[in-house]
Amino acid sequence: DGGITQSPKYLFRKEGQNVTLSCEQNLNHDAMYWYRQDPGQGLRLIYYSQIVNDFQKGDIAEGYSVSREKKESFPLTVTSAQKNPTAFYLCASSIAGLANYNEQFFGPGTRLTVL
Amino acid sequence: SQKIEQNSEALNIQEGKTATLTCNYTNYSPAYLQWYRQDPGRGPVFLLLIRENEKEKRKERLKVTFDTTLKQSLFHITASQPADSATYLCALGSGYALNFGKGTSLLVTP
Repeated sequence: DGGITQSPKYLFRKEGQNVTLSCEQNLNHDAMYWYRQDPGQGLRLIYYSQIVNDFQKGDIAEGYSVSREKKESFPLTVTSAQKNPTAFYLCASSIAGLANYNEQFFGPGTRLTVL
Repeated sequence: SQKIEQNSEALNIQEGKTATLTCNYTNYSPAYLQWYRQDPGRGPVFLLLIRENEKEKRKERLKVTFDTTLKQSLFHITASQPADSATYLCALGSGYALNFGKGTSLLVTP
């Protein structure tokens, strides 16, 4: 089955700890994205990558870091510098960058809670 | 400032009726607009895309309109069913990013 997976589904972290969220896709998509969703809020873009070994900051990149060493993988690290990390994190992919009007395919999300 | 506004209050309708959801935007010039469905605790699922030069798009029971003069998109679900109950998100596209609205919750009752 083709798709996009995220792990873990639920994640608990103590304040001051870094944590890495996994995102893998087997759709052979070039572009991948990370969003954050807070209750009653729209999705906000954290980082995106249009191609392997390249990524750009989105609207709320502070306190986050990413890597794109492989086409199918786009892990997100939430660092201790992120002031309010508790949220629902969504990873997405598209065939190419959105300038080509492509739909995004989303993973099931990871709910991060900072204790 | 840029804004994307969707009905903040939940929309409750009776099964079989047409649901109409609104997406208004300001200070954007989107090349296209997308609609997604999101169920609780899950990732959004793509439904429809409409480009700036298109007025209307249909897919089965779904219809989207796009009025760049009014800066508004309407999303219609005809013959609604309880299974259509979900949150619907509009997203404006320009360049390499999508900008999402907060979504409208739809509840279809039997």
